[in-house]
Amino acid sequence: GENVGLHLPTLSVQEGDNSIINCAYSNSASDYFIWYKQESGKGPQFIIDIRSNMDKRQGQRVTVLLNKTVKHLSLQIAATQPGDSAVYFCAENGPGGADGLTFGKGTHLIIQP
Amino acid sequence: GAVVSQHPSWVICKSGTSVKIECRSLDFQATTMFWYRQFPKQSLMLMATSNEGSKATYEQGVEKDKFLINHASLTLSTLTVTSAHPEDSSFYICSAGGGGRMETQYFGPGTRLLVL
Repeated sequence: GENVGLHLPTLSVQEGDNSIINCAYSNSASDYFIWYKQESGKGPQFIIDIRSNMDKRQGQRVTVLLNKTVKHLSLQIAATQPGDSAVYFCAENGPGGADGLTFGKGTHLIIQP
Repeated sequence: GAVVSQHPSWVICKSGTSVKIECRSLDFQATTMFWYRQFPKQSLMLMATSNEGSKATYEQGVEKDKFLINHASLTLSTLTVTSAHPEDSSFYICSAGGGGRMETQYFGPGTRLLVL
Protein backbone atom coordinates (compact mmCIF):
# COMPACT_ATOMS: atom_id res chain seq x y z
CA GLY A 1 0.00 0.00 0.00
CA GLU A 2 1.05 3.55 -0.49
CA ASN A 3 2.24 5.67 2.38
CA VAL A 4 2.17 9.13 0.97
CA GLY A 5 0.64 12.35 2.17
CA LEU A 6 0.73 14.61 5.17
CA HIS A 7 -2.95 14.49 6.02
CA LEU A 8 -4.99 11.44 6.86
CA PRO A 9 -8.54 11.17 5.54
CA THR A 10 -10.96 12.06 8.30
CA LEU A 11 -14.37 10.62 9.07
CA SER A 12 -16.55 12.43 11.57
CA VAL A 13 -19.49 10.53 13.06
CA GLN A 14 -22.05 11.32 15.74
CA GLU A 15 -21.82 9.24 18.87
CA GLY A 16 -24.19 6.30 18.62
CA ASP A 17 -24.22 6.23 14.85
CA ASN A 18 -22.61 3.55 12.72
CA SER A 19 -19.39 4.23 10.83
CA ILE A 20 -17.85 2.65 7.78
CA ILE A 21 -14.17 2.94 7.02
CA ASN A 22 -12.95 1.88 3.62
CA CYS A 23 -9.65 0.60 2.33
CA ALA A 24 -8.36 -0.34 -1.10
CA TYR A 25 -5.57 -2.86 -1.14
CA SER A 26 -3.04 -3.25 -3.89
CA ASN A 27 -2.00 -6.87 -4.16
CA SER A 28 -4.46 -9.36 -5.58
CA ALA A 29 -2.27 -12.16 -4.18
CA SER A 30 -2.81 -11.05 -0.59
CA ASP A 31 -4.88 -13.55 1.33
CA TYR A 32 -4.98 -12.23 4.87
CA PHE A 33 -6.21 -8.83 5.97
CA ILE A 34 -6.31 -7.10 9.33
CA TRP A 35 -7.81 -3.94 10.72
CA TYR A 36 -5.86 -2.08 13.39
CA LYS A 37 -6.79 0.84 15.61
CA GLN A 38 -4.08 3.28 16.62
CA GLU A 39 -4.50 5.90 19.29
CA SER A 40 -2.16 8.86 19.46
CA GLY A 41 1.34 7.89 20.58
CA LYS A 42 0.53 4.19 20.85
CA GLY A 43 1.13 1.07 18.81
CA PRO A 44 -1.58 -0.42 16.58
CA GLN A 45 -4.20 -2.50 18.34
CA PHE A 46 -5.70 -5.54 16.61
CA ILE A 47 -9.41 -5.22 15.88
CA ILE A 48 -10.44 -7.95 13.49
CA ASP A 49 -9.02 -10.02 10.66
CA ILE A 50 -10.33 -11.88 7.65
CA ARG A 51 -8.96 -14.45 5.27
CA SER A 52 -9.50 -14.30 1.54
CA ASN A 53 -11.82 -17.31 1.52
CA MET A 54 -14.38 -15.24 3.40
CA ASP A 55 -16.48 -12.21 2.43
CA LYS A 56 -17.58 -11.11 5.86
CA ARG A 57 -16.59 -11.55 9.45
CA GLN A 58 -18.19 -10.15 12.56
CA GLY A 59 -16.85 -9.30 15.95
CA GLN A 60 -18.15 -7.33 18.85
CA ARG A 61 -19.61 -4.13 17.33
CA VAL A 62 -17.34 -4.52 14.31
CA THR A 63 -17.78 -6.16 10.93
CA VAL A 64 -15.20 -6.53 8.18
CA LEU A 65 -16.26 -6.96 4.57
CA LEU A 66 -13.93 -8.14 1.84
CA ASN A 67 -14.56 -7.68 -1.87
CA LYS A 68 -11.76 -9.42 -3.73
CA THR A 69 -13.13 -8.50 -7.14
CA VAL A 70 -12.40 -4.82 -6.62
CA LYS A 71 -9.75 -5.31 -3.92
CA HIS A 72 -11.73 -3.47 -1.31
CA LEU A 73 -11.94 -3.89 2.41
CA SER A 74 -14.26 -2.12 4.83
CA LEU A 75 -14.66 -1.89 8.58
CA GLN A 76 -18.07 -1.20 10.04
CA ILE A 77 -18.32 -0.02 13.62
CA ALA A 78 -21.78 -0.12 15.14
CA ALA A 79 -23.06 2.31 17.77
CA THR A 80 -19.87 4.33 17.93
CA GLN A 81 -18.54 5.47 21.27
CA PRO A 82 -16.08 8.25 22.18
CA GLY A 83 -13.40 5.62 22.76
CA ASP A 84 -13.62 4.64 19.10
CA SER A 85 -11.91 7.89 18.13
CA ALA A 86 -8.55 6.88 16.64
CA VAL A 87 -6.76 6.25 13.37
CA TYR A 88 -7.76 3.02 11.68
CA PHE A 89 -5.45 1.14 9.35
CA CYS A 90 -6.08 -1.81 7.11
CA ALA A 91 -3.15 -4.13 6.52
CA GLU A 92 -2.49 -6.98 4.13
CA ASN A 93 0.10 -9.69 4.19
CA GLY A 94 3.01 -8.97 1.93
CA PRO A 95 3.59 -10.28 -1.59
CA GLY A 96 6.05 -13.00 -2.39
CA GLY A 97 5.38 -14.97 0.73
CA ALA A 98 6.76 -12.33 3.07
CA ASP A 99 5.09 -12.13 6.44
CA GLY A 100 5.54 -8.43 7.01
CA LEU A 101 2.37 -6.41 6.70
CA THR A 102 1.67 -3.67 4.18
CA PHE A 103 -0.41 -0.93 5.72
CA GLY A 104 -2.94 1.34 4.07
CA LYS A 105 -2.90 5.10 4.50
CA GLY A 106 -5.20 5.17 7.50
CA THR A 107 -8.41 6.99 8.34
CA HIS A 108 -8.87 9.28 11.31
CA LEU A 109 -12.24 8.55 12.91
CA ILE A 110 -13.65 11.32 15.07
CA ILE A 111 -16.66 10.63 17.25
CA GLN A 112 -18.64 13.75 18.00
CA PRO A 113 -20.74 13.89 21.18
CA GLY B 1 -4.34 -11.05 22.53
CA ALA B 2 -0.61 -11.51 22.88
CA VAL B 3 1.43 -8.90 24.72
CA VAL B 4 4.45 -7.22 23.16
CA SER B 5 6.54 -4.69 25.03
CA GLN B 6 9.14 -2.18 23.91
CA HIS B 7 11.85 -0.34 25.78
CA PRO B 8 12.44 2.51 26.00
CA SER B 9 9.14 4.19 25.22
CA TRP B 10 10.93 7.36 24.19
CA VAL B 11 14.51 8.49 23.76
CA ILE B 12 16.26 11.74 22.96
CA CYS B 13 19.83 11.56 21.76
CA LYS B 14 22.50 13.67 20.11
CA SER B 15 23.33 13.29 16.46
CA GLY B 16 25.99 10.65 15.89
CA THR B 17 25.13 8.44 18.84
CA SER B 18 23.66 4.95 18.66
CA VAL B 19 20.35 3.97 20.18
CA LYS B 20 19.15 0.47 21.04
CA ILE B 21 15.45 -0.41 21.17
CA GLU B 22 14.22 -3.67 22.67
CA CYS B 23 11.14 -5.61 21.66
CA ARG B 24 9.88 -8.45 23.84
CA SER B 25 7.05 -10.92 23.46
CA LEU B 26 5.85 -11.40 27.03
CA ASP B 27 3.51 -14.35 26.88
CA PHE B 28 4.46 -16.28 23.76
CA GLN B 29 7.47 -17.29 21.75
CA ALA B 30 8.06 -15.44 18.51
CA THR B 31 10.29 -16.96 15.88
CA THR B 32 9.69 -13.87 13.79
CA MET B 33 9.42 -10.25 14.79
CA PHE B 34 9.01 -7.21 12.59
CA TRP B 35 10.23 -3.65 12.83
CA TYR B 36 8.22 -0.75 11.44
CA ARG B 37 8.78 2.98 11.27
CA GLN B 38 6.06 5.61 11.32
CA PHE B 39 6.47 9.30 10.57
CA PRO B 40 3.91 11.82 11.83
CA LYS B 41 0.48 11.54 10.23
CA GLN B 42 1.65 8.69 8.03
CA SER B 43 1.19 4.97 7.94
CA LEU B 44 3.52 2.26 9.19
CA MET B 45 6.31 1.17 6.90
CA LEU B 46 7.94 -2.23 7.30
CA MET B 47 11.68 -1.90 7.82
CA ALA B 48 12.83 -5.45 8.40
CA THR B 49 11.92 -8.95 9.43
CA SER B 50 13.80 -10.27 12.41
CA ASN B 51 14.35 -14.02 12.48
CA GLU B 52 15.45 -15.83 15.60
CA GLY B 53 18.91 -17.29 15.16
CA SER B 54 19.50 -15.90 11.69
CA LYS B 55 20.09 -12.64 9.86
CA ALA B 56 17.35 -10.12 9.49
CA THR B 57 15.70 -9.45 6.15
CA TYR B 58 15.57 -5.78 5.24
CA GLU B 59 13.08 -4.02 3.01
CA GLN B 60 14.28 -2.18 -0.04
CA GLY B 61 15.77 1.17 0.85
CA VAL B 62 16.51 0.31 4.48
CA GLU B 63 20.21 0.34 5.30
CA LYS B 64 21.16 -2.82 7.14
CA ASP B 65 24.36 -1.30 8.47
CA LYS B 66 22.47 1.61 9.95
CA PHE B 67 19.62 -0.35 11.47
CA LEU B 68 21.17 -3.35 13.17
CA ILE B 69 18.78 -6.08 14.21
CA ASN B 70 19.51 -8.91 16.58
CA HIS B 71 17.02 -11.65 17.47
CA ALA B 72 18.91 -13.61 20.07
CA SER B 73 16.01 -15.48 21.63
CA LEU B 74 12.40 -16.38 20.97
CA THR B 75 11.22 -13.48 23.09
CA LEU B 76 13.64 -10.66 22.32
CA SER B 77 14.61 -8.67 19.26
CA THR B 78 16.67 -5.49 19.33
CA LEU B 79 16.95 -2.66 16.84
CA THR B 80 20.03 -0.46 17.04
CA VAL B 81 20.01 2.82 15.16
CA THR B 82 23.69 3.50 14.58
CA SER B 83 25.08 7.01 14.19
CA ALA B 84 21.63 8.48 14.44
CA HIS B 85 20.81 11.70 12.60
CA PRO B 86 17.82 14.04 12.86
CA GLU B 87 16.17 12.40 9.85
CA ASP B 88 16.06 9.14 11.82
CA SER B 89 13.68 10.75 14.28
CA SER B 90 10.52 8.69 14.09
CA PHE B 91 8.18 6.31 15.89
CA TYR B 92 9.62 2.79 15.81
CA ILE B 93 7.20 -0.06 16.40
CA CYS B 94 7.81 -3.77 16.59
CA SER B 95 5.38 -6.60 16.13
CA ALA B 96 5.44 -10.31 16.80
CA GLY B 97 3.42 -13.29 15.72
CA GLY B 98 3.52 -16.99 16.23
CA GLY B 99 4.76 -17.58 12.74
CA GLY B 100 3.25 -18.24 9.34
CA ARG B 101 1.51 -15.93 6.93
CA MET B 102 -1.87 -16.24 8.56
CA GLU B 103 -0.79 -15.57 12.08
CA THR B 104 -2.03 -12.33 13.56
CA GLN B 105 0.68 -9.83 14.41
CA TYR B 106 0.55 -8.03 17.72
CA PHE B 107 2.26 -4.71 18.08
CA GLY B 108 4.32 -3.16 20.80
CA PRO B 109 3.56 0.30 22.19
CA GLY B 110 6.25 1.94 20.06
CA THR B 111 9.42 3.91 20.79
CA ARG B 112 9.58 7.60 20.02
CA LEU B 113 13.10 8.59 18.90
CA LEU B 114 14.16 12.21 18.70
CA VAL B 115 17.65 12.93 17.40
CA LEU B 116 18.92 16.43 18.07
